Amino acid sequence: GAVVSQHPSWVICKSGTSVKIECRSLDFQATTMFWYRQFPKQSLMLMATSNEGSKATYEQGVEKDKFLINHASLTLSTLTVTSAHPEDSSFYICSAQVANTEAFFGQGTRLTVV
Amino acid sequence: AQSVTQLDSHVSVSEGTPVLLRCNYSSSYSPSLFWYVQHPNKGLQLLLKYTSAATLVKGINGFEAEFKKSETSFHLTKPSAHMSDAAEYFCVVSPFSGGYNKLIFGAGTRLAVHP
Repeated sequence: GAVVSQHPSWVICKSGTSVKIECRSLDFQATTMFWYRQFPKQSLMLMATSNEGSKATYEQGVEKDKFLINHASLTLSTLTVTSAHPEDSSFYICSAQVANTEAFFGQGTRLTVV
Repeated sequence: AQSVTQLDSHVSVSEGTPVLLRCNYSSSYSPSLFWYVQHPNKGLQLLLKYTSAATLVKGINGFEAEFKKSETSFHLTKPSAHMSDAAEYFCVVSPFSGGYNKLIFGAGTRLAVHP
């Protein structure tokens, strides 16, 4: 199957700083990428949907100014957690797909804000 | 509105015995249904999917699931558990038949497999 790579796999940052997470489709061009958040022992919650070259669509309750999403190319989407605080600590997972085909997931990024 | 309920948060089986992970869904449309598996600190892998074709769906690693519209269920089964099956399993619904957009995840079922 297709490969989606997330970087970094884990990151620790100080409160108040910003963190960027990258999601790359390695062997296909993704028209749509999704960003999810997963709290410990809980399910995945969709944060936003991004289409290449356009603004991301955020789910209700997700702060767009807090979680900046950029989808500059068909193989790369980035999620930037701005002014991170401990409550932003979580596991963030992206998925990428072409049109309406299978969604392929990255391995996730564990963010810890101290 | 679409939703999915995984009836068991934890399931524990012995190696070599059958596995049953239960899932009920709610959808206003003809849904697409999926089962994904997640190993610790890893991304998700698609086990199988139902997209309005055959109601009995066979997936990878010996898993299968049956779509029962009358019961609004999509339970995941495997005849014989293997130690490597220990993981978190998610039942997922998409409101659009054949579609992967806007996936809605169940709470997950943690499967433990004992020797």
